[in-house]
Amino acid sequence: GENVEQHPSTLSVQEGDSAVIKCTYSDSASNYFPWYKQELGKGPQLIIDIRSNVGEKKDQRIAVTLNKTAKHFSLHITETQPEDSAVYFCAASRGGGFKTIFGAGTRLFVKA
Amino acid sequence: SAVISQKPSRDICQRGTSLTIQCQVDSQVTMMFWYRQQPGQSLTLIATANQGSEATYESGFVIDKFPISRPNLTFSTLTVSNLSPEDSSIYLCSVEDRDWTEIGGYTFGSGTRLTVV
Repeated sequence: GENVEQHPSTLSVQEGDSAVIKCTYSDSASNYFPWYKQELGKGPQLIIDIRSNVGEKKDQRIAVTLNKTAKHFSLHITETQPEDSAVYFCAASRGGGFKTIFGAGTRLFVKA
Repeated sequence: SAVISQKPSRDICQRGTSLTIQCQVDSQVTMMFWYRQQPGQSLTLIATANQGSEATYESGFVIDKFPISRPNLTFSTLTVSNLSPEDSSIYLCSVEDRDWTEIGGYTFGSGTRLTVV
């Protein structure tokens, strides 16, 4: 079946450094790629997304890039802060009644 | 985006009993989704609940174990039946944020942390 691979599973950075999380998807028909942040004891929250007709999108300290040819997309967080510590999930979707496929998650630790 | 109220936030249940989880959405939505998140794991779709029809279950999940109700466009319940320790997980409901033309991301409830003893 379709799947999304996410790396790394754990990432530890110093406050102020950048963090990069990478995902690869298998379904070439996927056209929507959201990223979710899940803090302890809470449900996942959408933080940024990108559609297949766009190569890059930025929102303040967060950016996402998409390489459709390689079926690869990444989340970039710059100037990390302790409150960025959470689990991040990538996902891929194609709509039309097909279910969204989530990556396994990356636990990000930002050390003050 | 929609706002979801999910309850209970956590519960500890005895083996063999059942737990019913409720989700209330502040707007009318066609589909509601129920996910399971085992400790330290990703999100696994249990079923999709449409108003006025039976829920559609994913492979590995059956209606007898996870009955779902969807009485109207703003509310759904998931029951986890005949509980065993393997059912200890976080259960999440979600809705899709979309307009009529484009798919969108999901809004999730805050989750129900179930512990079976």
